[in-house]
Parts: sequence; C-alpha cells; structure tokens
Amino acid sequence: GAVVSQHPSWVICKSGTSVKIECRSLDFQATTMFWYRQFPKQSLMLMATSNEGSKATYEQGVEKDKFLINHASLTLSTLTVTSAHPEDSSFYICSAETSGGALGDTQYFGPGTRLTVL
Amino acid sequence: RKEVEQDPGPFNVPEGATVAFNCTYSNSASQSFFWYRQDCRKEPKLLMSVYSSGNEDGRFTAQLNRASQYISLLIRDSKLSDSATYLCVVNIRSGGGNKLTFGTGTQLKVEL
Repeated sequence: GAVVSQHPSWVICKSGTSVKIECRSLDFQATTMFWYRQFPKQSLMLMATSNEGSKATYEQGVEKDKFLINHASLTLSTLTVTSAHPEDSSFYICSAETSGGALGDTQYFGPGTRLTVL
Repeated sequence: RKEVEQDPGPFNVPEGATVAFNCTYSNSASQSFFWYRQDCRKEPKLLMSVYSSGNEDGRFTAQLNRASQYISLLIRDSKLSDSATYLCVVNIRSGGGNKLTFGTGTQLKVEL
C-alpha cells in the first residue's frame, strides 16, 4: 500500500508555455500533499503544502501565481508551472500524507517529474 | 546556517566495509528524524526512522542525540547495492501539519 504516482515522468517544453504535473495517491486518501523541487546536487526544497479543498500554503520565496496548486480531491493534486522559463528546469516531486491509521503521518513520495524548459 | 547539514561526500568504500554518516540540525523544535535513500534521478525512499534510544534495521543502525542535535547512520557489511545518496531529514510539526526538511545528502559509492 501507500503508492503515489506522478504524471508525466518527464517533460520538455518551450519557454513561455505552461506545464501541469499530476500527483495521485493510488491506494489511500491523502489529507495533505506536498510539492518539492530539487536542483542538481541540491536537497529537496519544499515549495508548498496543500490540503484538500483549501488553498495551498507556499514556502517563502515560491511565487504562488507562477506555481499553481490545486488539490481537488483526496487522491489528486496538480502543480501547474505557468510561463515556464529555463530556470524552472528541475526535478519536481510530490508526496502525500494521511493522518492517523496504519499509515500514520508518513509522507509517501511520488517518482518525480523531470522538467526541462528550452 | 543550513537547517540540516551533511557531509556531501562521496564516500568510496570497498564492499564489506562499515561506513558512518553524520548529520546535524539547527532547529531544536524538530520532532522526528529520518534517513532516506535517494538513487540517481529517482525519488527519495524512507530507509528508517531515528529514535533517541537508537534503532537498528538489519545492517543499518541509526542514532539520535537531541542534546547535540546530531543524527548518525551506520551501515555494516556494505553491499554494492547500498550505493546511493543518503538524506538526513527532520520533521517539524507546526500548525497541525508536518514539514520535512532535507539535508543535501551524503553520497556513498561501494566498490568491488
């Protein structure tokens, strides 16, 4: 149990386009989902935390108008990188958490999406 | 100062060696601690939680010293398949939610 999927696994796009990344919890309901970004040889950096049905909480320095997060259901969250530029090229990873129960408060990570903006 | 600091390595060790990684964290409000493993171009995967009393899982032993804000991971009888980046992670619970902070990772290369 506790599988999280992400789609697409990689994407290459032109500068100025928008890219949507989906994160799904396949066999559990995620009360909270997290979006991280990892640049080469750097640590994962939390971008935002989202709870189903409410607005996401963004970390300092992350532009909420550029990185749109929607958490429409307990199994799906989406991250849209709007007007992507080469500096947005990175590895985007989501994680999902459920409160209590057998899965506790552990975060389960998706396989990541590698975004390359030309 | 980084919230979670690790020696980036790489640590190059022969198969069968024992290797230890260290990590320090700056926020004394950190409540739970983990070691994750990340393979190249993959997502991080939970290796083990770390408890104050120390805990062991097969060849892996983790220790936590809250007073010194120091976490360690010991790998015995290292295998080629242990080659990966090991991430020290701390969790701070605030506003009813969890927030994981990751170190940059320590790279391990196990060689024949």
